[in-house]
Amino acid sequence: NAGVTQTPKFQVLKTGQSMTLQCAQDMNHEYMSWYRQDPGMGLRLIHYSVGAGITDQGEVPNGYNVSRSTTEDFPLRLLSAAPSQTSVYFCASSYAPSTGSRQYFGPGTRLTVT
Amino acid sequence: AQTVTQSQPEMSVQEAETVTLSCTYDTSESDYYLFWYKQPPSRQMILVIRQEAYKQQNATENRFSVNFQKAAKSFSLKISDSQLGDAAMYFCAYRTGGDDKIIFGKGTRLHILP
Repeated sequence: NAGVTQTPKFQVLKTGQSMTLQCAQDMNHEYMSWYRQDPGMGLRLIHYSVGAGITDQGEVPNGYNVSRSTTEDFPLRLLSAAPSQTSVYFCASSYAPSTGSRQYFGPGTRLTVT
Repeated sequence: AQTVTQSQPEMSVQEAETVTLSCTYDTSESDYYLFWYKQPPSRQMILVIRQEAYKQQNATENRFSVNFQKAAKSFSLKISDSQLGDAAMYFCAYRTGGDDKIIFGKGTRLHILP
């Protein structure tokens, strides 16, 4: 049981480049989400999904796209990277909110945009 | 809108002493769940403790316990016999069964003094 995996662990981009952060879970969780963590800001929700084919925006969605074609995968796309997107990104998964389930987090991706 | 407030950005405690981290939240829901997560320097998010709002009994996990005051909307974390390995960022989090979004506080950085 690998849990939640994220790739890459580190990434440096130039302004304007695009990239996809990968996230996968093998626990058959319905709920998956992406957060960014910035100093003094805690974890802020970017996008989330309650099941395959269903996604919705969180608190800070601008500049990011997601899709969920399978239960297991939930990639996060940066369309045109900006220095303001320099952050640590976490993917998380859990059972449905109605269960009050805890979240399982991936190891995070440190992204630097120059 | 639900909010989670951690009023102590940083705290220090002597090794073997007891420390309490505070968390307050704002909600109009009656059924919800509260969590404390620990983030050590490795960046991995680790669940410390979970509390169901309908349970009056405070959750405990070994040296970690909570003081859950539902009427006051307070959910503090007590760490007894502090150890060097407890040094980390601690996040309080809230989720309801009826809302897909999970709300995190901004975190408290805990230092353990040898």
